[in-house]
Amino acid sequence: KAGVTQTPRYLIKTRGQQVTLSCSPISGHRSVSWYQQTPGQGLQFLFEYFSETQRNKGNFPGRFSGRQFSNSRSEMNVSTLELGDSALYLCASSRGYEQYFGPGTRLTVT
Amino acid sequence: DQQVKQNSPSLSVQEGRISILNCDYTNSMFDYFLWYKKYPAEGPTFLISISSIKDKNEDGRFTVFLNKSAKHLSLHIVPSQPGDSAVYFCAASEKGFNKFYFGSGTKLNVKP
Repeated sequence: KAGVTQTPRYLIKTRGQQVTLSCSPISGHRSVSWYQQTPGQGLQFLFEYFSETQRNKGNFPGRFSGRQFSNSRSEMNVSTLELGDSALYLCASSRGYEQYFGPGTRLTVT
Repeated sequence: DQQVKQNSPSLSVQEGRISILNCDYTNSMFDYFLWYKKYPAEGPTFLISISSIKDKNEDGRFTVFLNKSAKHLSLHIVPSQPGDSAVYFCAASEKGFNKFYFGSGTKLNVKP
């Protein structure tokens, strides 16, 4: 069974730009969650999508948004990038409570 | 406000001995707990879980203990192996929510 895949794996963007990250869940998993990992803040929950609807949301500004498609694939968008958005962005898919993570997208904002 | 805390940033253990990783939480509504292992440049790998209706769950060398009154859980690895060297995260969620709060991680080093 294929695991969670994320694209791209690495990304360099400039302040003020926007970025879109993609996540393909494990087949059969309908829930996709996004996390931001930084050295100072650890792993922080961004949002969760289930059946194309945002079901849970963390405490991030509106510049962070996401969506989920009918095949459960999900995208995350960050607009007006700031230097502090540099982080590893992880997505996780689940069928129940146990979440399975992808390898992450390393975003660097310069 | 960190609802899940791992107060030991690092732990060093001899191969073959027991590794005990600790995690404390503040939210009494947390109902489900997970442990993950993370290697550099990889996403976290799910290890073991426990729900609040249990106080122990075992899977091979890994056992998780939950003490609800103390709001404390621990992961025991017996026997420890050099391949267990990684960062370990605990995570917790309220019932019905798929929104997990993660601890800051404990870096385990198992010495041969």
